Amino acid sequence: QSGLIQSPSASGTPGQTVTISCSRPTSNLGGGYFYWYQQFPGTAPKLLVFAHNRRPSGVPDRFSGSNSATSASLTISGLRSEDEAIYYCSTWDDSQAGRVEFGGGTKLTVL
Amino acid sequence: QVQLVESGGGVVQPGRSLRLSCAASGFNSSDYVMHWVRQAPGKGLEWLAVISYDGTKAFYTESLNGRFTISRDSSKNVVFLQMNSLRPDDTAIYYCAREGGAPWGLGTLVTVSS
Repeated sequence: QSGLIQSPSASGTPGQTVTISCSRPTSNLGGGYFYWYQQFPGTAPKLLVFAHNRRPSGVPDRFSGSNSATSASLTISGLRSEDEAIYYCSTWDDSQAGRVEFGGGTKLTVL
Repeated sequence: QVQLVESGGGVVQPGRSLRLSCAASGFNSSDYVMHWVRQAPGKGLEWLAVISYDGTKAFYTESLNGRFTISRDSSKNVVFLQMNSLRPDDTAIYYCAREGGAPWGLGTLVTVSS
């Protein structure tokens, strides 16, 4: 079972648009939709984007997702200092034999 | 309010067992596939296990080598994670999560140390 691949770090200045990428090994193309999580130190991950590009209620539209069969991106527009966090991509297969995979996380620094 | 609350964590010696609970509120957990995920200190997220709606099917990440068992009690709206033969590298915050990626609980800390 191969994990998802993310760059370990990203950065931007307030107001900029930042894109965080995630790739999936071709051996795992059946691994379900891409999801994105935001995690601050000492807190549980928060779902930002699910089913490739949908947002739960309450998540600002500054956060958006896009994807292909083998990769996904999280774009944060109008970057704010409070966006500094670790972002994880994930695939969720909620069939009854479903498995979940996570990327290693991308630490976003707002300069 | 849809919520998951994990409990049962603590400090345990290597080789011992621990059972974690995940109590659901605001929804009927037996209508959903449920997962356990963990996060070791300073590390990323690791998926552990999933259980089907009716509790008849369960699947695990291979690295657990049969040490952990996921189960559920639909009458109590609770999902469990039985952890046996614990090792120091099992030290982590353990989260339960509902199908669809959310919600997650706040997690319960398990520390395996002599």
